[in-house]
Amino acid sequence: KAGVTQTPRYLIKTRGQQVTLSCSPISGHRSVSWYQQTPGQGLQFLFEYFSETQRNKGNFPGRFSGRQFSNSRSEMNVSTLELGDSALYLCASSELIGALNSPLHFGNGTRLTVT
Amino acid sequence: AQSVTQLDSQVPVFEEAPVELRCNYSSSVSVYLFWYVQYPNQGLQLLLKYLSGSTLVKGINGFEAEFNKSQTSFHLRKPSVHISDTAEYFCAVSDQSGTASKLTFGTGTRLQVTL
Repeated sequence: KAGVTQTPRYLIKTRGQQVTLSCSPISGHRSVSWYQQTPGQGLQFLFEYFSETQRNKGNFPGRFSGRQFSNSRSEMNVSTLELGDSALYLCASSELIGALNSPLHFGNGTRLTVT
Repeated sequence: AQSVTQLDSQVPVFEEAPVELRCNYSSSVSVYLFWYVQYPNQGLQLLLKYLSGSTLVKGINGFEAEFNKSQTSFHLRKPSVHISDTAEYFCAVSDQSGTASKLTFGTGTRLQVTL
């Protein structure tokens, strides 16, 4: 099976712009989660989607949003970019939600740089 | 709220030496603990997890961890490290509902293995 695929791998944007990141989960996985990784804050949970519905949300401003499509692919969007949004954004998929025996499989991330 | 503390930001070790990466957690309810590894420019990979049962958990690549409830610790160990083990290691705890997708991560420990 192919792993979790995130596109693009690298992205450079300017303050005030918006950006959309894409994540294709492992085939058969219905849950997709997003994490932000920065040197200062470490790994922080953004949100989780399952069956096209947001099931969990972290403590991020409303500029961060996401969605999931019927094929389980997910996108996250960040509007009005700020310098502090520069980070590695990781997507993870799992077969189920709320099931501890369903481990997370991470993609290689999208590195976003805001200038 | 649950939290995880990784006491060492960096651990240098010689090849074939044993290593222990420390992790302490804070939780008032049942805990579910994980160790992940991140190689350069890659996402996270699950090493092992503790859900219940035996307190000694064996994972991939020869790693193991011991859950110690009285000391609220979940230290990761390997008896003999290899150069290829050089990476960043993250300890994580699941939220109270057991939703495995929403993890709280520690700040990471960089393991540097040298000859």
